[in-house]
Amino acid sequence: IQLTQSPSLLSASVGDRVTLSCKGSQNINNYLAWYQQKLGEAPKLLIYNTNSLQTGIPSRFSGSGSGTDYTLTISSLQPEDVATYFCYQYNNGLTFGSGTKLEIK
Amino acid sequence: EVQLQESGPGLVKPSQSLSLTCSVTGYSITSNYWGWIRKFPGNKMEWMGYISYSGSTSYNPSLKSRISITRDTSKNQFFLQLNSVTTEDTATYYCARGRGFDYWGQGVMVTVSS
Repeated sequence: IQLTQSPSLLSASVGDRVTLSCKGSQNINNYLAWYQQKLGEAPKLLIYNTNSLQTGIPSRFSGSGSGTDYTLTISSLQPEDVATYFCYQYNNGLTFGSGTKLEIK
Repeated sequence: EVQLQESGPGLVKPSQSLSLTCSVTGYSITSNYWGWIRKFPGNKMEWMGYISYSGSTSYNPSLKSRISITRDTSKNQFFLQLNSVTTEDTATYYCARGRGFDYWGQGVMVTVSS
């Protein structure tokens, strides 16, 4: 399954509601996760099974979707959210999306 | 706390083998799954393979002929070997826990160059 993330680069202001998209080439059956990777750090699991928040992750992060289309939402963007975000599917094989780089405007 | 740490050479010559070690503390590798993922320059991430709690393995089909993942349960370590490397194998290599990758190492940058 191929994953396409959009946009590849997103610039938003502190406090904005931000939405990142991940689209699969086939049905993912909700076996989708999101990772955050800050510069020079290891990726961090944010969301698994489409909408389950990993322990310790702030509640401003949420996930949704079904079928082939999935979304990561940050309800109020914070400066520490600057990072690249990857989606990842584990329904059929294990594949990552190409990433969305999120910056502060 | 679960911690993973990759180690190995940062430079490998073309056609040689790349060998990395992942040392795990705070959790036994005889439970769960343990994988290798790499991130290429330009941000593309690729799952390479994993070894299970029982020692069974699963590999990315694109690497199947070149990759081997093994483990030493007495040292709580697992290993990656990638044979016949080319410059296209230049990447940052990560080890991680589970098929959902809830814990990651910091990564080790490996350059393939003569």
